[in-house]
Amino acid sequence: AQSVSQHNHHVILSEAASLELGCNYSYGGTVNLFWYVQYPGQHLQLLLKYFSGDPLVKGIKGFEAEFIKSKFSFNLRKPSVQWSDTAEYFCAVTLRNTGGFKTIFGAGTRLFVKA
Amino acid sequence: GAGVSQSPSNKVTEKGKDVELRCDPISGHTALYWYRQSLGQGLEFLIYFQGNSAPDKSGLPSDRFSAERTGGSVSTLTIQRTQQEDSAVYLCASSLGQGFPNQPQHFGDGTRLSIL
Repeated sequence: AQSVSQHNHHVILSEAASLELGCNYSYGGTVNLFWYVQYPGQHLQLLLKYFSGDPLVKGIKGFEAEFIKSKFSFNLRKPSVQWSDTAEYFCAVTLRNTGGFKTIFGAGTRLFVKA
Repeated sequence: GAGVSQSPSNKVTEKGKDVELRCDPISGHTALYWYRQSLGQGLEFLIYFQGNSAPDKSGLPSDRFSAERTGGSVSTLTIQRTQQEDSAVYLCASSLGQGFPNQPQHFGDGTRLSIL
């Protein structure tokens, strides 16, 4: 079955530490990939997306993600986190199925950055 | 500009009652999604509407849950005979739709449902 896995449910980092959040999906066809972020008290919003071209994509607030097709992965990275990055992060994959396109979300990763 | 609007923002009701949650998507967005977000459970897909096609109901957890979308715009999620495990934040999202799979979903603020 098609699925999206985020391996870390909770991550705690100190400010200036580097961040990498894992995302793997199970689907052999063409995909579009997204990372969404939900800051405390706010609604989900797009952080970055990949649909073609350079597999290293850059998003807002210094985040980037790399699509590695052979590993079915789309990990999110940031070289130096800030306290304001405390949020929940969701990986999502849009794929084509018999009914058209379908988006599947991962379970999310809660990031807490200590000041 | 106008985003996805959900109402009510909070709903508290007694076990066994029916509830209706409303979603007003962004104008021009043909795709509409309902999700449920529970503490520690991540984002659970419920139902997906795309234009005039039959909705994808594969995520609805039981037959107590139903949704409709009138005129291709506003959607209502109905939960009948609510149970305590239905307590969660119900999120609605819209996007440009089938012809634009690389376009993101735009989320509303959600309805926080509490079943006493």
